[in-house]
Amino acid sequence: SSELTQDPAVSVALGQTVTMTCQGDSLTSFYASWYQQRPGQAPLLVIYGNTNRPSGIPDRFSGSSSGDTASLTITGAQAEDEAAYYCNSRDSSVNYLVFGGGTKLTVL
Amino acid sequence: EVHLAESGGGLVQPGGSLRLSCTASGFTFGHYEMNWVRQAPGEGLEWVAYIDSDAFSTHYGDSVKGRVTISRDNAKSSLFLEINSLRAEDTAVYYCARGGEHWAFDVWGLGTRVTVSS
Repeated sequence: SSELTQDPAVSVALGQTVTMTCQGDSLTSFYASWYQQRPGQAPLLVIYGNTNRPSGIPDRFSGSSSGDTASLTITGAQAEDEAAYYCNSRDSSVNYLVFGGGTKLTVL
Repeated sequence: EVHLAESGGGLVQPGGSLRLSCTASGFTFGHYEMNWVRQAPGEGLEWVAYIDSDAFSTHYGDSVKGRVTISRDNAKSSLFLEINSLRAEDTAVYYCARGGEHWAFDVWGLGTRVTVSS
């Protein structure tokens, strides 16, 4: 399969921890990256290579991977973390690169 | 400061063609792979096309294969996307994105909007 599957929506109470997942066959062979997209803005890379955080990204964002599933965790979610989150990876079938469908995170 | 700026979007009739441009600044453009990613209204991100740093290798998304050509001019720090036989489903914001480590898109432009409608 060339798809990456994400839950459409997740909610978290302010200050609590939330984990979003991304599942797909390609993740057994290739690294996952994660992007944050606030309404009306361009996407922003928050995790690459499964676990690496770019400069400037708060350390409350962390990534992990096991088997065919990659995860993005926000520890102590803030109001400004409310956004859509997308995963992506290389793909070995139809498409060279692929995105997940995205998870809309609501901070309550 | 690292920056990408897309241009060339607009309203185009079904069956028409469009050439999008992306101008890079703040980094050595010729050292990086580049991509186009699009987002239809209210929808998620869709990878469209990839080109390596020397333009020797290109790849295209299945939904646009055969209608799209990605190219670059490293001397002018510019990336291009030509789209032919435009359809309503090509309506989207088109982003250029720099290829970073482990196939991540580490720098994004603000996007250019393409609307296909009669």
